[in-house]
Amino acid sequence: SQQGEEDPQALSIQEGENATMNCSYKTSINNLQWYRQNSGRGLVHLILIRSNEREKHSGRLRVTLDTSKKSSSLLITASRAADTASYFCVVGTSYDKVIFGPGTSLSVIP
Amino acid sequence: DAEITQSPRHKITETGRQVTLACHQTWNHNNMFWYRQDLGHGLRLIHYSYGVQDTNKGEVSDGYSVSRSNTEDLPLTLESAASSQTSVYFCASSARGARTEAFFGQGTRLTVV
Repeated sequence: SQQGEEDPQALSIQEGENATMNCSYKTSINNLQWYRQNSGRGLVHLILIRSNEREKHSGRLRVTLDTSKKSSSLLITASRAADTASYFCVVGTSYDKVIFGPGTSLSVIP
Repeated sequence: DAEITQSPRHKITETGRQVTLACHQTWNHNNMFWYRQDLGHGLRLIHYSYGVQDTNKGEVSDGYSVSRSNTEDLPLTLESAASSQTSVYFCASSARGARTEAFFGQGTRLTVV
């Protein structure tokens, strides 16, 4: 399967706390991407990490990649109500299809 | 600025009618994708295209068709709309599939009555 599987399915935290979600996959990858979808909106690209990278930062986002475990994690620090959204990982392989898993639904409670 | 746009944003149609959803991108991307999103199913790939005159079926292609006559457009046609096709449809484009960032349209909410 070319898709990643996000875990947990749903996550609820208080504003200011950190949120961690994970992505597992089964194939060899060239890269892995994370996307966010606010309710009723299109998806927005957050970050891309290549297979030879172990960690990447973008603002309050930190992504790690462990190719030996075939897993990635997305950490959102100091969460805000505006971070309430669904988060998806997309694995990049030699094939060009962009396939999504079920996502993690994050609720940040003010 | 480059963008990807979908039209219409909302559509109500009757069962059995043919419906076409438009997707237009100005990124000059070769790869374009159509998804549907339903509660409990995430985004499911309907059709995709790697370039002009190329189209491929995704996991839920039955009842849908696409054509790619130029780089910018990938219209999605529902041949004979069914209530099961009531959904939110998203179009996306990328330079190199899942190996590069994909850009999404704002979605089309289609209701088949």
